Amino acid sequence: DGGITQSPKYLFRKEGQNVTLSCEQNLNHDAMYWYRQDPGQGLRLIYYSQIVNDFQKGDIAEGYSVSREKKESFPLTVTSAQKNPTAFYLCASSIDLGLAGGYYNEQFFGPGTRLTVL
Amino acid sequence: AQTVTQSQPEMSVQEAETVTLSCTYDTSESDYYLFWYKQPPSRQMILVIRQEAYKQQNATENRFSVNFQKAAKSFSLKISDSQLGDAAMYFCAYSNDKIIFGKGTRLHILP
Repeated sequence: DGGITQSPKYLFRKEGQNVTLSCEQNLNHDAMYWYRQDPGQGLRLIYYSQIVNDFQKGDIAEGYSVSREKKESFPLTVTSAQKNPTAFYLCASSIDLGLAGGYYNEQFFGPGTRLTVL
Repeated sequence: AQTVTQSQPEMSVQEAETVTLSCTYDTSESDYYLFWYKQPPSRQMILVIRQEAYKQQNATENRFSVNFQKAAKSFSLKISDSQLGDAAMYFCAYSNDKIIFGKGTRLHILP
């Protein structure tokens, strides 16, 4: 079955430690995304990557880092510089719907990781 | 800049009744996609329905349908014969060169 996996489902971290969240997809999608979700805030984009070895900052990139060494994988590191890291993190990948010469993306989501800083 | 607004933070509907969730967006583009995503208590985001802006016909998926008013930049979701499993957070999204989500509407189903 094709899909997106995120691990672990729950993650606990001590304050001051870096932690890496895993995201893997076997949908052969070029683009991948990381979102943060807080209560009442909807989804906020952290980083995205449209192709291997390239990525761009989203709206709330401070305190986070990513890498995209393989098409299938887009890990997110939450660093100690992130002031309020406790949140639900969603990874997504997208297919290019590609109509009329534009780039329209429909996103497919993983099950998410709940990060709690103790 | 494009924006997506969901003006109803929470809604409730009686089981088997019909409910409509509102969404408005702002864009200067003529070609784009609109989506409704569902996030149940499991927090897995699921695509409910997709509408292409160049199509005048409203999209339908079983009990879910949309009312797409391009001139008014409105994209509401109608759920017919509401079921307990429809209880979830619903997000409206707009996509042109990137995807933008609204803040969501939490839907409660009353037995």
